[in-house]
Amino acid sequence: LAKTTQPISMDSYEGQEVNITCSHNNIATNDYITWYQQFPSQGPRFIIQGYKTKVTNEVASLFIPADRKSSTLSLPRVSLSDTAVYYCLVVTGGFKTIFGAGTRLFVKA
Amino acid sequence: NAGVTQTPKFQVLKTGQSMTLQCAQDMNHNSMYWYRQDPGMGLRLIYYSASEGTTDKGEVPNGYNVSRLNKREFSLRLESAAPSQTSVYFCASREGVNRDYGYTFGSGTRLTVV
Repeated sequence: LAKTTQPISMDSYEGQEVNITCSHNNIATNDYITWYQQFPSQGPRFIIQGYKTKVTNEVASLFIPADRKSSTLSLPRVSLSDTAVYYCLVVTGGFKTIFGAGTRLFVKA
Repeated sequence: NAGVTQTPKFQVLKTGQSMTLQCAQDMNHNSMYWYRQDPGMGLRLIYYSASEGTTDKGEVPNGYNVSRLNKREFSLRLESAAPSQTSVYFCASREGVNRDYGYTFGSGTRLTVV
């Protein structure tokens, strides 16, 4: 199972764009990259998933370079309600998915 | 609302007591999971059930047992609670195991063992 490394915490201000980078050096050919968001006292929630290049949905964008050894979650114009923990996962398929410690994002007014 | 429902939301146990955490999903998902989350840490897999009638160990199964009662329900039992089992427990389900299928999590059970 591929291990991921991401910053422990990040601070931002309302209205700014936030980019959270995750490294996954030993990602396998068939692995996907998935990001989850977790608010206090709630379970994690799926945000976005991608394999290569760029994926965008109504919540975020995901940038994956050609070598796929890292990925960047981009949150446009964050608000206070985006304060949460963000988990980067490499999903191989099967039943055992590793959730690392995640990145704690604090959005300030 | 469709999703994963966990009960209870909070529980305090004395060391040595037993209890069962309940989980039910109404999305007709095949696989179900129990995770624990300790302060400042990610989620660690305790047990999972690939399908009705099957269960398997995850990373940290010691001290726990599980039952996949039917396709909807997956319970976690602590036979003799220990302070080290103080944690937040999350149940999750997933339609399939291919990469495209994301997890749906419940809101958690906060357990304190004193």
